[in-house]
Amino acid sequence: DGGITQSPKYLFRKEGQNVTLSCEQNLNHDAMYWYRQDPGQGLRLIYYSQIVNDFQKGDIAEGYSVSREKKESFPLTVTSAQKNPTAFYLCASSIARGGDTQYFGPGTRLTVL
Amino acid sequence: DAKTTQPPSMDCAEGRAANLPCNHSTISGNEYVYWYRQIHSQGPQYIIHGLKNNETNEMASLIITEDRKSSTLILPHATLRDTAVYYCIRQPFGNEKLTFGTGTRLTIIP
Repeated sequence: DGGITQSPKYLFRKEGQNVTLSCEQNLNHDAMYWYRQDPGQGLRLIYYSQIVNDFQKGDIAEGYSVSREKKESFPLTVTSAQKNPTAFYLCASSIARGGDTQYFGPGTRLTVL
Repeated sequence: DAKTTQPPSMDCAEGRAANLPCNHSTISGNEYVYWYRQIHSQGPQYIIHGLKNNETNEMASLIITEDRKSSTLILPHATLRDTAVYYCIRQPFGNEKLTFGTGTRLTIIP
């Protein structure tokens, strides 16, 4: 059963702690993306990766970091430098870069207390 | 710059066709029209996309006007599970970012 998995679905952290959100895909897609969604708003691009060992900043990369060591995995770390980290985080993938249909995971809701 | 304009909300009776309009009057020649939907607290789900021609798949039909300034997503027989926020998006070929607006909240009425 192919798809994108994100874990955990809900995550709670204390202010000042770094936290890593998992994203795995078995679709053999080259490109992967991280978006953030705040209540009642659209998605904003945090980082994207077109190929293993390469990634680029999106519109709101400050306070976040990523890695792409394997094609299947694109973890996102929310650092203590992110001023307002509480949000719904969505991972997506597409066959190749730019212009291809993006398929989304179920999301992780992060709450920083 | 919203880039697409959609009504904020719509209702549709269960079993009827749901027709969701989208205005994209400034669309460029290299931009596709994509439709996604998002059920509450879930990730967006791809529905359909098109460039110039009308498209149909197992989920929906997409009708794009000849001048490409607007489009309509048609869910032919709406069910309660179609209740969601529907997003109409312009995506240039080669652009990594999907720009989601606020979409149309579609409610299917039993």
